[in-house]
Amino acid sequence: GAGVSQTPSNKVTEKGKYVELRCDPISGHTALYWYRQSLGQGPEFLIYFQGTGAADDSGLPNDRFFAVRPEGSVSTLKIQRTERGDSAVYLCASSLNPSGSGDEQFFGPGTRLTVL
Amino acid sequence: AQKITQTQPGMFVQEKEAVTLDCTYDTSDQSYGLFWYKQPSSGEMIFLIYQGSYDEQNATEGRYSLNFQKARKSANLVISASQLGDSAMYFCAMREGRTGGFKTIFGAGTRLFVKA
Repeated sequence: GAGVSQTPSNKVTEKGKYVELRCDPISGHTALYWYRQSLGQGPEFLIYFQGTGAADDSGLPNDRFFAVRPEGSVSTLKIQRTERGDSAVYLCASSLNPSGSGDEQFFGPGTRLTVL
Repeated sequence: AQKITQTQPGMFVQEKEAVTLDCTYDTSDQSYGLFWYKQPSSGEMIFLIYQGSYDEQNATEGRYSLNFQKARKSANLVISASQLGDSAMYFCAMREGRTGGFKTIFGAGTRLFVKA
């Protein structure tokens, strides 16, 4: 079966521009997570969806970042007025069991965002 | 606040030998899960092993075992019979239960080098 997919794999944009990053989770997985990974660091939690709703968005760094999952499947991470500090790999993960602490998260290959 | 600490930025091990990667955590939640992920140079995050806070036995998955010492809040990963393909970044992560909002926190990682 297909794993988590993310598009685009690479995105280069200019400072101040708007970008959208897409995540297709594994079919049937109701939980979806977004992370940001800067060079040499571990993934940093951004937001967690249960179904269509954002159950925890405490990791979003500021109001330039927003994510949606309108039909409980595909999710889009949106970044407005991009800054050079937003440059990172954005990882998406999905899991089957949204209500326990032990659900295994399956990660996508990530989108490398470069803000010039 | 929840926190994951990996104190070893890099580790070397001889092929076929065992190696322990350290991880300590901090949480006030009673229900939590501990994970280890492997990230090769290709960038994908690969799930290795999971330990629940209420599990009495240490988790094992093939050559991977988790040395869980709850009182010391440590969850070290032991890789037995190291292989050249084990060379990668290894991340320890923790996910708290409902009171923690289900977000997953990652450590800074340990880079493992396996020598032939």
